[in-house]
Amino acid sequence: GAGVSQSPSNKVTEKGKDVELRCDPISGHTALYWYRQSLGQGLEFLIYFQGNSAPDKSGLPSDRFSAERTGGSVSTLTIQRTQQEDSAVYLCASRTVARGNTQETQYFGPGTRLLVL
Amino acid sequence: KQEVTQIPAALSVPEGENLVLNCSFTDSAIYNLQWFRQDPGKGLTSLLLIQSSQREQTSGRLNASLDKSSGRSTLYIAASQPGDSATYLCAVSGYSTLTFGKGTMLLVSP
Repeated sequence: GAGVSQSPSNKVTEKGKDVELRCDPISGHTALYWYRQSLGQGLEFLIYFQGNSAPDKSGLPSDRFSAERTGGSVSTLTIQRTQQEDSAVYLCASRTVARGNTQETQYFGPGTRLLVL
Repeated sequence: KQEVTQIPAALSVPEGENLVLNCSFTDSAIYNLQWFRQDPGKGLTSLLLIQSSQREQTSGRLNASLDKSSGRSTLYIAASQPGDSATYLCAVSGYSTLTFGKGTMLLVSP
């Protein structure tokens, strides 16, 4: 079946511009996660959604970052007034439920590679 | 705050060797530990997931162990192949999120 998809796959933008990154989770998955992977760094958690609500936004690095999810499905991560340090791979993941002791893994999309010039 | 460390950062071995990748974490209050594989330009693929109550999991040539009390996990790869070349990531699960290590970049040469 279809996995997690992300668009665009690559994005080059100029410093100061806004960008929107999209994630389509696996159908039926209520939990959706955003991560960032910078060069030489591990994956950093940004935010997760349970349905349309975001119980944990603790990983968002600044108020320039925001995310929303509509209809319990597609999510958009928006970065306003982009800076060069925002350059990274942004990964989205989904799974059936968000919490608890479960054997279910998170299923990751291929990522969006963002380059801010 | 949970911190995950992976050693070594990079590893190069000839085909056929058995190898061990190491992962340590600072907070033993985890739900599970997972090992992922990441190929260049690709997303992550889950290899093994060990529940906090388990000691190990096996899949084919891969075996992962977990010692929660000491905050350690190992990934054992038997009879390595060039196709195993990738970055291997260890991640521990809190109540709702994963905390990742920086990964071990593995190169298996023919």
